[in-house]
Amino acid sequence: TQLLEQSPQFLSIQEGENLTVYCNSSSVFSSLQWYRQEPGEGPVLLVTVVTGGEVKKLKRLTFQFGDARKDSSLHITAAQPGDTGLYLCAGAHPGANNLFFGTGTRLTVIP
Amino acid sequence: EAQVTQNPRYLITVTGKKLTVTCSQNMNHEYMSWYRQDPGLGLRQIYYSMNVEVTDKGDVPEGYKVSRKEKRNFPLILESPSPNQTSLYFCASSYRERSYEQYFGPGTRLTVT
Repeated sequence: TQLLEQSPQFLSIQEGENLTVYCNSSSVFSSLQWYRQEPGEGPVLLVTVVTGGEVKKLKRLTFQFGDARKDSSLHITAAQPGDTGLYLCAGAHPGANNLFFGTGTRLTVIP
Repeated sequence: EAQVTQNPRYLITVTGKKLTVTCSQNMNHEYMSWYRQDPGLGLRQIYYSMNVEVTDKGDVPEGYKVSRKEKRNFPLILESPSPNQTSLYFCASSYRERSYEQYFGPGTRLTVT
């Protein structure tokens, strides 16, 4: 059962452009995380959001948790080739102990 | 250096031959888990462990076993591997439960022929 849907699945943009990646679900999450994975490596955590409506910024990356805690977005400003990678969202349901990952968005930033 | 290590990194085996993928973390984390990553399906949790001697099924536990006899180690066991278990496997650990930052190992690419 796929509980977290990410869109788009693939994204190829020019350096300097802005982009937004979405993570949607019909379920409520107690927390949601965003990871970036590079080829040959495991995912690395970028951010955790826990409060509905929360916005967190990490340099050129802006993360938002939906008011109802069912969705999240990642916005990158002025993308750079170093942003290339697979972006994964992961959510934990209230009271549950396991984590569900989205299918990922594969981003390529062309110099 | 804080890290999660997995061995082996690559493994090619045949159907039915039992294998174990080891996972070890040096961060004194309580929570450990195993995931498999397949194209189009993302990361799916196989098993997780809240602490020593406490393990539970994730999303796709069929065909796998785990044990947690020591805090630092969490091996994944495939008693009778089948081709549909060909995948990229990741071990991860976190300080406590799933809300905290998950540290992932480098991955084990398994091929079952």
